[in-house]
Amino acid sequence: DGGITQSPKYLFRKEGQNVTLSCEQNLNHDAMYWYRQDPGQGLRLIYYSQIVNDFQKGDIAEGYSVSREKKESFPLTVTSAQKNPTAFYLCASSMSGVRRETQYFGPGTRLLVL
Amino acid sequence: AQSVTQPDIHITVSEGASLELRCNYSYGATPYLFWYVQSPGQGLQLLLKYFSGDTLVQGIKGFEAEFKRSQSSFNLRKPSVHWSDAAEYFCAVVRTGTASKLTFGTGTRLQVTL
Repeated sequence: DGGITQSPKYLFRKEGQNVTLSCEQNLNHDAMYWYRQDPGQGLRLIYYSQIVNDFQKGDIAEGYSVSREKKESFPLTVTSAQKNPTAFYLCASSMSGVRRETQYFGPGTRLLVL
Repeated sequence: AQSVTQPDIHITVSEGASLELRCNYSYGATPYLFWYVQSPGQGLQLLLKYFSGDTLVQGIKGFEAEFKRSQSSFNLRKPSVHWSDAAEYFCAVVRTGTASKLTFGTGTRLQVTL
């Protein structure tokens, strides 16, 4: 079955540590996205990528980094510069980066700070 | 800038009762609109979408939504709610001049009483 997988389901970060969240899709989608979800705030866009080896900052990119070396993979690194990383992180993908394309979401990773 | 407002943070309905979740958007041109549903600790699932044409859109799980340009609304409805519909519901709009970047509302949490 085609879909989006995110791992791990839960992730713990210590102070000063960088952690990487995995997102893989086998839908052959061109575009991929990372969102952060906090209670009562909906989803906010962190980074997005419309094509391999290219990505753009979203609304809240500070303290995060991404790479897009393969079409099916879009890992997100939460760096030590992100002072409030505790949140639910959702990865999404779409056929291409045009306005009519529907985004499909993975199951999410919950990041907690120790 | 586009915005999406979901005025109801929390709604409780009895099983078998009808449901309407409100969504208002701020947008200059014809919007592309979506409704997603999220069960606790899970990713988002697409319920339905509106791009153009018939203003009454049918989705999965018996949901429908009506686009009303004059009211800048895209309300989600279901004639008879089931206990399994308890979840959080998000309305979203594609932003102007962007590559399918979504702006989400803050969500409405639906509780279903038996």
